[in-house]
Amino acid sequence: NAGVMQNPRHLVRRRGQEARLRCSPMKGHSHVYWYRQLPEEGLKFMVYLQKENIIDESGMPKERFSAEFPKEGPSILRIQQVVRGDSAAYFCASSPQGAGVNTEAFFGQGTRLTVV
Amino acid sequence: AQRVTQPEKLLSVFKGAPVELKCNYSYSGSPELFWYVQYSRQRLQLLLRHISRESIKGFTADLNKGETSFHLKKPFAQEEDSAMYYCALLTGGGNKLTFGTGTQLKVEL
Repeated sequence: NAGVMQNPRHLVRRRGQEARLRCSPMKGHSHVYWYRQLPEEGLKFMVYLQKENIIDESGMPKERFSAEFPKEGPSILRIQQVVRGDSAAYFCASSPQGAGVNTEAFFGQGTRLTVV
Repeated sequence: AQRVTQPEKLLSVFKGAPVELKCNYSYSGSPELFWYVQYSRQRLQLLLRHISRESIKGFTADLNKGETSFHLKKPFAQEEDSAMYYCALLTGGGNKLTFGTGTQLKVEL
């Protein structure tokens, strides 16, 4: 099992472009979480998805950000019309069931987005 | 609102010295706490969870509800302990982890 795979590892976008971040969960995992880490800050929860469903998007900015986890294929975090403030490391985690006290969430290595 | 505070950005100790990484939390519900570690160029991984009351790699952490703390301790630091450590609180009905800002532990020879 290769673990949670995120790509690309590094992404550079100009202001106004779209950024698409991909996350392939571990085999057998149907729950995906996205976190954002701004410089000098901790990881901040963005969204929790199960296959084809958004369960909790309370951490997602209201505009420009969207996430999906289709029946087939990776989970995608999409940022439209990127601005410099979107520059951050974006981490994905997956778990076989909802993360709880006895269920470990496994993290990917992250995608570092730089907006120029 | 829930919050996790790690007051130290960087902690530097000598090999063999005791280590204590501080973590305080704020949460109105019953807290479920974790420590995650990120070694250089590796992904974030779970170190230990309070409910297990386990010792991993010599590290322990005790939940102190009176002081709302979950400090990570190890009696004798090893060079391989050098890493970034994050304290995390499980909230949202068990759906999300709220992380602290992390403490970089540097163990010097």
